Amino acid sequence: DQQVKQNSPSLSVQEGRISILNCDYTNSMFDYFLWYKKYPAEGPTFLISISSIKDKNEDGRFTVFLNKSAKHLSLHIVPSQPGDSAVYFCAGLYNFNKFYFGSGTKLNVKP
Amino acid sequence: DTGVSQDPRHKITKRGQNVTFRCDPISEHNRLYWYRQTLGQGPEFLTYFQNEAQLEKSRLLSDRFSAERPKGSFSTLEIQRTEQGDSAMYLCASSLGGQSGNGYTFGSGTRLTVV
Repeated sequence: DQQVKQNSPSLSVQEGRISILNCDYTNSMFDYFLWYKKYPAEGPTFLISISSIKDKNEDGRFTVFLNKSAKHLSLHIVPSQPGDSAVYFCAGLYNFNKFYFGSGTKLNVKP
Repeated sequence: DTGVSQDPRHKITKRGQNVTFRCDPISEHNRLYWYRQTLGQGPEFLTYFQNEAQLEKSRLLSDRFSAERPKGSFSTLEIQRTEQGDSAMYLCASSLGGQSGNGYTFGSGTRLTVV
């Protein structure tokens, strides 16, 4: 059961522009949503999260938006930097003990 | 504190062999989780422990899989009679109780290749 979906396997953006990564979910019971960044041969690294009762959370260049009526969240990176190139996973946290991950979006930021 | 450590980083095994992976969580974390990530997919939940108690197991964890955390510190994940479909990255994570945001730390994973 694919409770979290990332429909774009890849995204290419020019350095300095905005990157928008999207995520859809089906489970209304998620407590939190998180974005993780993953480099090859490494584990996922926490990037930013948002409570299910919020609609926006911002941390530096990263902003996550949550649209509960559409069951959609997005991660905005502004401005994008070449070091942001990685695979980004969206995850829903259920019952504070289980993550449901999307399949990831590979972001390539071109210099 | 060196974070969550997993050993080995890579394992190549022949089909039918047994393999065991180890995870050392962050020392003060009482919860430990195992996930499996196959190519092109996100990590999938396998099981989690609170101290030494295994509180939940996914249906993905077939009878050939067993996980233990005997003293509430490190954990082992054993796969018996490995199959080619077991080839994946096995990730371990830990947390202090149920956390809300950045309280979960993942290890770098063990990549298993069954030939």
